[in-house]
Amino acid sequence: ETGVTQTPRHLVMGMTNKKSLKCEQHLGHNAMYWYKQSAKKPLELMFVYNFKEQTENNSVPSRFSPECPNSSHLFLHLHTLQPEDSALYLCASSQDPSATGNTIYFGEGSWLTVV
Amino acid sequence: DAKTTQPPSMDCAEGRAANLPCNHSTISGNEYVYWYRQIHSQGPQYIIHGLKNNETNEMASLIITEDRKSSTLILPHATLRDTAVYYCIVRALYNNNDMRFGAGTRLTVKP
Repeated sequence: ETGVTQTPRHLVMGMTNKKSLKCEQHLGHNAMYWYKQSAKKPLELMFVYNFKEQTENNSVPSRFSPECPNSSHLFLHLHTLQPEDSALYLCASSQDPSATGNTIYFGEGSWLTVV
Repeated sequence: DAKTTQPPSMDCAEGRAANLPCNHSTISGNEYVYWYRQIHSQGPQYIIHGLKNNETNEMASLIITEDRKSSTLILPHATLRDTAVYYCIVRALYNNNDMRFGAGTRLTVKP
């Protein structure tokens, strides 16, 4: 248990569906992240939020839409995805960037399959 | 782009020490060395981090060379449950936008 909870753990969706991945952190952190891990590829940083503001968008297609309503919650809204978007989506959080010991903690991930 | 170089795979006998190397020759003065591992189908797990001094915790030891251009993660008594992909990451402590993973080292602990 890392203090970062992701739901659902598994999701199967059609290419015309709209779905969302949810992440919640119970660590009092102020930064949250989305990563994508495709089969046999390194983790790819997708988005970073610091104090609810998006500070990084790593050239992610607009069919992935993040939302960070507060420092504890992060969503990834999915719309008209492609089969190649099937992957493990990982959420992570870390403390205030100005604090020492700014370690990033990951959730267990959401396995997404697009059919 | 990843700033580190790691061997793609290593084997280790159960009960022996596993020494995982990482090269980070372009590391700058404000960048820390972090190690994570990822067991199959799970999220990455934080192991240890350091700036220039050697560090030890309940999971592992981190040895950083004096010139800071390379480091070694040591698992003192590897078990089968330590089989995982180990990632060495270099990042500035206060830069949350720079947490980028490379391919890592796939460590296989054998009985």
